Amino acid sequence: ETGVTQSPTHLIKTRGQQVTLRCSSQSGHNTVSWYQQALGQGPQFIFQYYREEENGRGNFPPRFSGLQFPNYSSELNVNALELDDSALYLCASSLGPSGGTGVEKLFFGSGTQLSVL
Amino acid sequence: DQQVKQNSPSLSVQEGRISILNCDYTNSMFDYFLWYKKYPAEGPTFLISISSIKDKNEDGRFTVFLNKSAKHLSLHIVPSQPGDSAVYYCAADRGSTLGRLYFGRGTQLTVWP
Repeated sequence: ETGVTQSPTHLIKTRGQQVTLRCSSQSGHNTVSWYQQALGQGPQFIFQYYREEENGRGNFPPRFSGLQFPNYSSELNVNALELDDSALYLCASSLGPSGGTGVEKLFFGSGTQLSVL
Repeated sequence: DQQVKQNSPSLSVQEGRISILNCDYTNSMFDYFLWYKKYPAEGPTFLISISSIKDKNEDGRFTVFLNKSAKHLSLHIVPSQPGDSAVYYCAADRGSTLGRLYFGRGTQLTVWP
């Protein structure tokens, strides 16, 4: 059983550029959630994808967008990068859009460290 | 607006002793609470959880206590081991929000021999 994998592990971009981060969900998982973790902060929910559609969104501007593919892998796209976008981006997969007693079945990848200069 | 707060950024405990990590929350709508553990260069991994209908949940060396009236929970690790050294995140969930977790800023636990 393969875990959640994210690519790339590190990325450096300049302000104003666009970036795409990728996530392969754990085998059998159909839901992917994305989190942003700034330095010294806890992870902050960006959005969730279930069955290829956005299924819940946190307090992030529209320049943060995503996709989920038929194989349940996912992409996070950020346009017009700002310095404050520098953070660790975590992808988590789960079997279903878990809530309540299901949330512990959220499996995180190791993240992509994005630096915006 | 930090709805889950971990006010101690670090905790240092001797091996074999008890580690107590604390967490406070402000949103009374939270109905499920979790603790995640994170090692460097790895993603958070689930440790233990508790439903708001309970006040205690135990799993081996780990016990989580919930005080709803005080909006406070704590994680007890007994006995602490050097391998427990990691960042511990408290997280909360509202059952209707489809898996959106609200995390605290984490507490770095160091267990020394």
